[in-house]
Amino acid sequence: TQLLEQSPQFLSIQEGENLTVYCNSSSVFSSLQWYRQEPGEGPVLLVTVVTGGEVKKLKRLTFQFGDARKDSSLHITAAQPGDTGLYLCRLSDNFNKFYFGSGTKLNVKP
Amino acid sequence: NAGVTQTPKFQVLKTGQSMTLQCAQDMNHEYMSWYRQDPGMGLRLIHYSVGAGITDQGEVPNGYNVSRSTTEDFPLRLLSAAPSQTSVYFCASWDGAFGNTEAFFGQGTRLTVV
Repeated sequence: TQLLEQSPQFLSIQEGENLTVYCNSSSVFSSLQWYRQEPGEGPVLLVTVVTGGEVKKLKRLTFQFGDARKDSSLHITAAQPGDTGLYLCRLSDNFNKFYFGSGTKLNVKP
Repeated sequence: NAGVTQTPKFQVLKTGQSMTLQCAQDMNHEYMSWYRQDPGMGLRLIHYSVGAGITDQGEVPNGYNVSRSTTEDFPLRLLSAAPSQTSVYFCASWDGAFGNTEAFFGQGTRLTVV
């Protein structure tokens, strides 16, 4: 069962462009996390969103949790090559299982 | 502070061989999980544990066994390796049952089954 759908699957942009990636579920969840994974490494936590409608900013990254707590978005302003990586969302099904979405692979070209 | 340590980093197996991927964490986390990541894809949950002596299946458990005799260690056993198990395996640990706790990952084990 795929609890989380991420889109787009791949994104290749030029440095300086803006982008948004999405994480959607058919279920309501209590919280959601975004991770970034660089080649050859494990994922690293970027942010956790908990409250419906919540917006969090991390430098050029803006994370939003949908009002109904079934979706989330990550917006990057003025992308840089250092933003290149695989962006993953993660949630719990409230039964001790933690799932990841399929990921968005971002490539920012200089 | 070592965090989550996985060994080996690379492994090549022949079809039918068995092996154990090791995972150890030094953060006294109750929760540990194994994921596999196929090229260009996200992580799929294989098995997880909510504490010593307690394990359960994830999305793709077939062909894998786990045990959790201590809080620190969570080994993953491949019983009879198959080419379909070629993947990168990640172990993760975190503290608590809530979805808002940070998961810490090892650097992965790249497994090739020929």
